[in-house]
Amino acid sequence: QVQLVESGGGVVQPGRSLRLSCATSGFSFGDYGMHWVRQAPGKGLEWVAVISFEGSNEYYADSVKGRFTISRDNSKNTLSLQMSSLRIEDTALYYCAKDLSEYNYNYQFDYWGRGTLVTVSS
Amino acid sequence: SYVLTQPPSVSVAPGQTARITCGGNNIGSKTVQWYQQRPGQAPVLVVYDDNDRPSGIPERFSGSNSGNAATLNINRVEDGDEADYYCQVWDGSEDQVVFGGGTKLTVL
Repeated sequence: QVQLVESGGGVVQPGRSLRLSCATSGFSFGDYGMHWVRQAPGKGLEWVAVISFEGSNEYYADSVKGRFTISRDNSKNTLSLQMSSLRIEDTALYYCAKDLSEYNYNYQFDYWGRGTLVTVSS
Repeated sequence: SYVLTQPPSVSVAPGQTARITCGGNNIGSKTVQWYQQRPGQAPVLVVYDDNDRPSGIPERFSGSNSGNAATLNINRVEDGDEADYYCQVWDGSEDQVVFGGGTKLTVL
């Protein structure tokens, strides 16, 4: 079955960097767009970024544009999120999510991991 | 920026029908997804493309979308349906994903 397992979260000071990873299995990773979605404690969902199935296209939420970079390694079935210049408001549970559509991304999230918690605090 | 508005809470007795609305300017021109998030768990896609269900989602879940409002209907509500529900669209004019603020469904 489809599995998405995030890792790399932790406590980090404002202005510092952190890299998240998402290990996947149970589907043809290289055929699907992948996303990061976050949820601040006690708050709603916020989409962060998407990367196309082959890795050639990336799009970001305005709130993270220029600070976060999404990437993927199709040979290792792994998705990553490099976060830099972190702010207090980036504190959230970060989910890795698979796009529903093959060879495209329609911004429909059909499988989610359990998330990894990032806390930005001095 | 595009805004989706959901009621903070909806309550329904077991066996009844729950209706959760999602308001947005001309939302009928967009495709709507709905996610269920039980406490402490990751979200689950329950409806996509306004009214399609992923495999494994009961037929009790259905959606509609027209004009300025989309609706998630849950027929014959069960205790296990108690969760937060989020609507979501893609706003192509700004290249951004938009989620509603979420609705807490309470089964009385």
